[in-house]
Amino acid sequence: DAKTTQPNSMESNEEEPVHLPCNHSTISGTDYIHWYRQLPSQGPEYVIHGLTSNVNNRMASLAIAEDRKSSTLILHRATLRDAAVYYCIPSNNNNDMRFGAGTRLTVKP
Amino acid sequence: DGGITQSPKYLFRKEGQNVTLSCEQNLNHDAMYWYRQDPGQGLRLIYYSQIVNDFQKGDIAEGYSVSREKKESFPLTVTSAQKNPTAFYLCASSMMLAGGYNEQFFGPGTRLTVL
Repeated sequence: DAKTTQPNSMESNEEEPVHLPCNHSTISGTDYIHWYRQLPSQGPEYVIHGLTSNVNNRMASLAIAEDRKSSTLILHRATLRDAAVYYCIPSNNNNDMRFGAGTRLTVKP
Repeated sequence: DGGITQSPKYLFRKEGQNVTLSCEQNLNHDAMYWYRQDPGQGLRLIYYSQIVNDFQKGDIAEGYSVSREKKESFPLTVTSAQKNPTAFYLCASSMMLAGGYNEQFFGPGTRLTVL
């Protein structure tokens, strides 16, 4: 299993960009990098995933380092609704998704 | 609307009693999962099922049991053998596309408190 390291917490101001880092130095060549987020008292929701190339969707962007040992989730304009715990999960198997402690993002108005 | 439902949202039980948590999905997903979350922690996989009438243990299956008699339903029983059952329980489902990405969809969770 790839071990991940994420900051315990981060703060951002509303409408500013947020860069959430994740180190996964032991990632295997077939692991996708998944990001999920969990709003308070809710189940997690999918944010984005990628393998090698940077990815964009309506929620966020994912920047993947060339050596794939780290990635960064980018929220282009944080809103209060983006306050959540963000999980970075390297995996190639849905039955082996390791949700660690994640990064708790606080968005200040 | 398609989605995953878990009931009830809050559940209280006395120590020593078995309790069954419900999980239903109408997304036509083949795979279903149960996770446990303790305060301030991530999710840990209890059981998963990729097909009807088949299921596999996850990382923390001891003290839990499941069944998968229908594609739509994957109930979890927390038995009296589970030493610390108080937790937030999350059910998820996903498709099983070979070679494709299979996003997991989560239910709203059941918060179980054992008194």
